[in-house]
Amino acid sequence: EAGVVQSPRYKIIEKKQPVAFWCNPISGHNTLYWYLQNLGQGPELLIRYENEEAVDDSQLPKDRFSAERLKGVDSTLKIQPAELGDSAVYLCASSLGWVTTTGDYNEQFFGPGTRLTVL
Amino acid sequence: AQSVTQPDIHITVSEGASLELRCNYSYGATPYLFWYVQSPGQGLQLLLKYFSGDTLVQGIKGFEAEFKRSQSSFNLRKPSVHWSDAAEYFCAVGSNDYKLSFGAGTTVTVRA
Repeated sequence: EAGVVQSPRYKIIEKKQPVAFWCNPISGHNTLYWYLQNLGQGPELLIRYENEEAVDDSQLPKDRFSAERLKGVDSTLKIQPAELGDSAVYLCASSLGWVTTTGDYNEQFFGPGTRLTVL
Repeated sequence: AQSVTQPDIHITVSEGASLELRCNYSYGATPYLFWYVQSPGQGLQLLLKYFSGDTLVQGIKGFEAEFKRSQSSFNLRKPSVHWSDAAEYFCAVGSNDYKLSFGAGTTVTVRA
């Protein structure tokens, strides 16, 4: 079974340029997450999708960040314009729903991430 | 809001020696606790999780963790480390609104 696919793996851009990251979750996973991982830190949730609906985007800086999951499968995260402080790893994860029928967490499967460098 | 502290930024251990990684959490209710491992160039992989029941949890790759409510801790252990265990390890706590909060991670170096 293929895991979570992300592209590109690395991206170097000049500040003020736009950038986009793509994620294809594991087949059948209706929940998709985008995380930001700064150097030396753990991942922080940016946005969570249930199918095509963004159910939690409270941590997404909406002035420059946007995301979409139009058909409830793959997703794109965009930054426009990028700033120096956006240099980080952007992780995508997916799961079979947010919780199980018994209320336990469903395991999140992570992609390898996109490492963004803004110069 | 919940939070996680991993006091050790970096640990070096000899191959074959035991390993213990510390994790302290802050959360007002019964926590959901996780340990993930991240190898270079790889995504995070779930090692084990604790929701309820037996406080000693067995995971993959020979890892185990013990939940101690009185100490707000969820330390990860492995009796004998292999060179392939060199990676970054993250402890995470989940709340009742199902958000995961990760610690800053502990980097493990294994020396021959």
